[in-house]
Amino acid sequence: ETGVTQTPRHLVMGMTNKKSLKCEQHLGHNAMYWYKQSAKKPLELMFVYNFKEQTENNSVPSRFSPECPNSSHLFLHLHTLQPEDSALYLCASSQLPESTDTQYFGPGTRLTVL
Amino acid sequence: KQEVTQIPAALSVPEGENLVLNCSFTDSAIYNLQWFRQDPGKGLTSLLLIQSSQREQTSGRLNASLDKSSGRSTLYIAASQPGDSATYLCAVRPPGGFKTIFGAGTRLFVKA
Repeated sequence: ETGVTQTPRHLVMGMTNKKSLKCEQHLGHNAMYWYKQSAKKPLELMFVYNFKEQTENNSVPSRFSPECPNSSHLFLHLHTLQPEDSALYLCASSQLPESTDTQYFGPGTRLTVL
Repeated sequence: KQEVTQIPAALSVPEGENLVLNCSFTDSAIYNLQWFRQDPGKGLTSLLLIQSSQREQTSGRLNASLDKSSGRSTLYIAASQPGDSATYLCAVRPPGGFKTIFGAGTRLFVKA
């Protein structure tokens, strides 16, 4: 499989559940990103990992917990979410430094919190 | 604080028309600027990336320009087709760090 894949594609969870989103990139990139896309709001960067080290945390609540075990895999662990956390969560990867390269995005996970 | 604005928010045009999408940013100190396309409920696809030292990039029917001094970029789509219907996003990368700042997008509908 090529490109950036995300699983699951759709997720419905209650506020007390614990779930995880998975992202895998097959592009040999060294950086991975989590973004949140809410309705009628610009795409928001959540976390950036460069060579498995977290380099950016955009003031994300602790109920979102990222994990990057290697340069190809990225997880987003979710617990005690709120209904306003319902959104499309997008994963991306790129090769840093990035002046000439671009970010490649996965198809996203549509999350609904009841 | 860098902010990215896209105008118009939505646009509907007949097939075959040439069109321009606009993007403005508040801080001219950028590393690069990208245009993305997003189909409903899906991820983003990169269309064009312009480095800070460049003025424009072209790919097929698409041409993107960059004027850093005025904080503006335009995406020109020639001979639009129904398949071009999507949301177009502009994003800037400030120098230093890894943060990319996106605009809210322009939703384009091309009528057959």
